[in-house]
Amino acid sequence: AQSVTQLGSHVSVSEGALVLLRCNYSSSVPPYLFWYVQYPNQGLQLLLKYTSAATLVKGINGFEAEFKKSETSFHLTKPSAHMSDAAEYFCAVILGNEKLTFGTGTRLTIIP
Amino acid sequence: NAGVMQNPRHLVRRRGQEARLRCSPMKGHSHVYWYRQLPEEGLKFMVYLQKENIIDESGMPKERFSAEFPKEGPSILRIQQVVRGDSAAYFCASSPGTATLYGYTFGSGTRLTVV
Repeated sequence: AQSVTQLGSHVSVSEGALVLLRCNYSSSVPPYLFWYVQYPNQGLQLLLKYTSAATLVKGINGFEAEFKKSETSFHLTKPSAHMSDAAEYFCAVILGNEKLTFGTGTRLTIIP
Repeated sequence: NAGVMQNPRHLVRRRGQEARLRCSPMKGHSHVYWYRQLPEEGLKFMVYLQKENIIDESGMPKERFSAEFPKEGPSILRIQQVVRGDSAAYFCASSPGTATLYGYTFGSGTRLTVV
């Protein structure tokens, strides 16, 4: 079985501070990992994806994530938070069955 | 190239009525996926379809729910005899091929409220 666990359902950071959203996966085979962002009352937008190429993946809006096999992690980071980053973030994993399995989400709040 | 289009955006139904949710995938996308998001929860897989075929419906409730993706027209998620517990946001996603390679593109969702 494969799944993802997001640590921290709510994260608050000050504007300009580092954003770190945690995601750990469990998979018996190399996973395909994704981060999505959801703004209020909207659908999900793909931030970035890991597909076994480079372990450091750069996404949109200044976000990046690093795949660490030894830690089974795929944490999402952004060096400097902006007010517009306030949203809910979902880590997700997919295997050959085409089914995207989501974590429970982390709500990011930016403090002015 | 329009994104994944879902309609209606908001749908209110009384208990016992039928809800029909529509999803038009992106042009050139032949794979469609439906997900449900309950309040304060993540998204849960419901069904995966390709044109005229249901590939995986392991996440669909056994009763009252059905999905189709006809040769022509949008994909439809149909909920018969709705109950209050069906109130949720329903998201559709599409992909041009293997999801591991392309990922999904999501629509903006249909928010169903059962009163």
